Parts: sequence; structure tokens; C-alpha cells
Amino acid sequence: QSVLTQPPSASGTPGQRVTISCSGSSSNIGSNTVNWYQQLPGTAPKLLIYRNNQRPSGVPDRFSGSKSGTSASLAISGLQSEDEADYYCAAWDDSLKEVFGGGTKLTVL
Amino acid sequence: QVQLQESGPGLVKPSQTLSLTCTVSGGSISSGSYYWSWIRQPAGKGLEWIGRIYTSGSTNYNPSLKSRVTISVDTSKNQFSLKLSSVTAADTAVYYCARDHVHIAGYYMDVWGKGTTVTVSS
Repeated sequence: QSVLTQPPSASGTPGQRVTISCSGSSSNIGSNTVNWYQQLPGTAPKLLIYRNNQRPSGVPDRFSGSKSGTSASLAISGLQSEDEADYYCAAWDDSLKEVFGGGTKLTVL
Repeated sequence: QVQLQESGPGLVKPSQTLSLTCTVSGGSISSGSYYWSWIRQPAGKGLEWIGRIYTSGSTNYNPSLKSRVTISVDTSKNQFSLKLSSVTAADTAVYYCARDHVHIAGYYMDVWGKGTTVTVSS
């Protein structure tokens, strides 16, 4: 059972906007920043969003992150077929460990 | 451009020690304020953080694994390593190494290795 809670699945059609939620607590999301990782099938995770809403170089601005209180969200606008992947949120927990969400499998219909 | 590559045995017997090495190329493991992490992922499941090390040798371990985990660094070889003792089938997973940025409100892992599969079986 993951410390951070994500919906197991999400879906959308090409061009649509999709959001993925991540719920935590005061000891992780409530007091530290949130990161999002994208894992394409059969590959290693890739940093997508860091420090709540920052995009690494090379990540399209279709991807955006936000945080409010003990929850965070990843939004993908202009959905494309290549966005089909697993998405994980993560944060440092004050119990001195990095915690991940269980992952959300995004399907592009 | 920094790249990471995991290496080690793909098969480990139950009760033995799993040993993996992550080789850093394209940059020095000692440059910058980076930590170096290990993460694992059982087949079809989510990510689990194992622990991280700074080049000074300072470590953080996942409390659930702390009694069995040792992470070390060899700056002369530009490598860091993972040892997980007393393994069981539950330790079967893909193991990733990653570069970790630290800031005042947490960490983020911006460079990942491709991962290596470790199976625990007799």
C-alpha cells in the first residue's frame, strides 16, 4: 500500500486535457515538494515535473504540475498517443524516506 | 551528459546478499551537490525507494529496509553500490540507480539508469 494515493487509471482522447491526482499527508506533500515521473512501457522512469511545478529541459509545456495543501495534480493538455504511460508522484516524507504513489496508468483512447 | 548503468548478478539465492553497482559516466560522481539513490520496482508494481548516499558517505535508508541495506560509494571508480542482505522472493524486482538533487524542501531524481532485473530464486 503506497503512502501517496493516486487513481490506478486515467484515460482521454487525443487533444483532450487529463489530470492525475496525488493525495498525501502533512508529513510529505503538506511539508515538502512533489515530483512526477513518467514511465513509458518497458523503460526506466523519467523526471517529468519537479518541485511541484517545474519542468526539466526538454519536457513539453503540455505537462504541468500543481500542489495545494496535502494534494498535488499533474495535468496533461493536448493529449498525444505517446503520452500513454504510467505516471508516479513522489515526495520526501518527514519520517526520513522518499515515498511514491502507486502509479496511474494513462490510456490514450 | 551524465549516464548511469546498473550491473550485478541477475539471480540471487534466498538468504544470500544481493549486490549491485551503479557506474556513473559523463561526469564525476563527486561534482555538484548530488545524492545517489537506489529504487526498485517489482514486476507490474510501483516504485519503492531503497536509499541514497552522498559522496561524503552520508546515507538515508528506507526504514522498512534499513536493517538489510548498505549503500556505499567509491569516488575513485565513479561508482556507488547497493547490498541487500537476507533476500527473499519479495526482493525480486528491477533495480534502478538514479542521481538525486537535494534542496530545502526535498529531493528529485533527474537521471536514471536503465535498470537491472534481479530474481531471487534457488
